[in-house]
Amino acid sequence: AQTVTQSQPEMSVQEAETVTLSCTYDTSESDYYLFWYKQPPSRQMILVIRQEAYKQQNATENRFSVNFQKAAKSFSLKISDSQLGDAAMYFCAYRAITGGGNKLTFGTGTQLKVEL
Amino acid sequence: KAGVTQTPRYLIKTRGQQVTLSCSPISGHRSVSWYQQTPGQGLQFLFEYFSETQRNKGNFPGRFSGRQFSNSRSEMNVSTLELGDSALYLCASSLSLAGESDTQYFGPGTRLTVL
Repeated sequence: AQTVTQSQPEMSVQEAETVTLSCTYDTSESDYYLFWYKQPPSRQMILVIRQEAYKQQNATENRFSVNFQKAAKSFSLKISDSQLGDAAMYFCAYRAITGGGNKLTFGTGTQLKVEL
Repeated sequence: KAGVTQTPRYLIKTRGQQVTLSCSPISGHRSVSWYQQTPGQGLQFLFEYFSETQRNKGNFPGRFSGRQFSNSRSEMNVSTLELGDSALYLCASSLSLAGESDTQYFGPGTRLTVL
């Protein structure tokens, strides 16, 4: 079974600074998808960024980028120029390509605080 | 385009009762997945429906069930409620069943409290 581990329960960053959230996963599959989702307080979960395992190039979405290390099974999220609106719970998630439908396996989350 | 909607947003029940939660996916989306979110267990997959058929199921007891209608709207039912069923229940919709470009879009959730 696939597992996703987020070892940082909480992180803090100063506004305008850069922060990196860590995620490791375990799978025997060679192809899969990885995601970072953001869940603001009392608001719904939204997709931040996704990465296809067969793509070597790291995904980037504006101020958000990932460092995908397939051999190490590591998938970290870098947030540049942090803003107050980035404060949220961030979840790393895994989705198999075959057999699991759209099922997402989530990590336990990292609570990100953004300070002035 | 309207997002995923879930009703009701908040629900209070007592042990032993049953509850039905509803989810309306984004227009055109045919896959609906359900997740349970608790502080202790985190986010756990319940089941996924596509074209009115359950396609995947998580590791939950038979008290948890669901269905999907021809318009892709989905309901989940929990019978004989237990205190541990208190959670935020999230619904997510996507265009198809694990297509390459599929992304899941989440609803705001239903907060269930069991007393």
